[in-house]
Amino acid sequence: DTAVSQTPKYLVTQMGNDKSIKCEQNLGHDTMYWYKQDSKKFLKIMFSYNNKELIINETVPNRFSPKSPDKAHLNLHINSLELGDSAVYFCASSPMRADTQYFGPGTRLTVL
Amino acid sequence: GNSVTQMEGPVTLSEEAFLTINCTYTATGYPSLFWYVQYPGEGLQLLLKATKADDKGSNKGFEATYRKETTSFHLEKGSVQVSDSAVYFCAWTDSWGKLQFGAGTQVVVTP
Repeated sequence: DTAVSQTPKYLVTQMGNDKSIKCEQNLGHDTMYWYKQDSKKFLKIMFSYNNKELIINETVPNRFSPKSPDKAHLNLHINSLELGDSAVYFCASSPMRADTQYFGPGTRLTVL
Repeated sequence: GNSVTQMEGPVTLSEEAFLTINCTYTATGYPSLFWYVQYPGEGLQLLLKATKADDKGSNKGFEATYRKETTSFHLEKGSVQVSDSAVYFCAWTDSWGKLQFGAGTQVVVTP
């Protein structure tokens, strides 16, 4: 059973398009996160939700909007995609805030 | 600035060699410390963790000790295998759950 899953695994799209990445965890965790990994492998947090409430919102363009319909899901919607959005996006979850985080397999986004 | 400093890679070793990856952190209080590993083309996997000073985390032959006095959490393995080739990330988490990652250290183990 996959603990933290993301779809799609690969996403190739044109500049200006709008796309979504979905994340689901079956661990019963309260907290979920989105991270961005750039081409140099540097990882930075973008957002975190705890029990469907947004608790971390880093300096991210407002073209990025997270949505948590329930505790087990955290989606990331990106409007007006730009070349610089190309990266690998990782979802993670933890039992509670500040606890050990478990990562999904990542979504490689390529904007052409 | 980056609050986790790791040694730059790539680190290239022969099989059965001893591996050390240095990691120092800047944080207030008593953060939990982690090592994550990313194998080629895969996501991040938790390798080990330590939650308080002098704790030793260990897994798959890797070890790291939480040293508060030197703010360090160096990763070691006594005898590496080709399958240990990966990128290793040191990290700590603040009270909000923000994982602060180091830049990652690529390890290449040759037969």
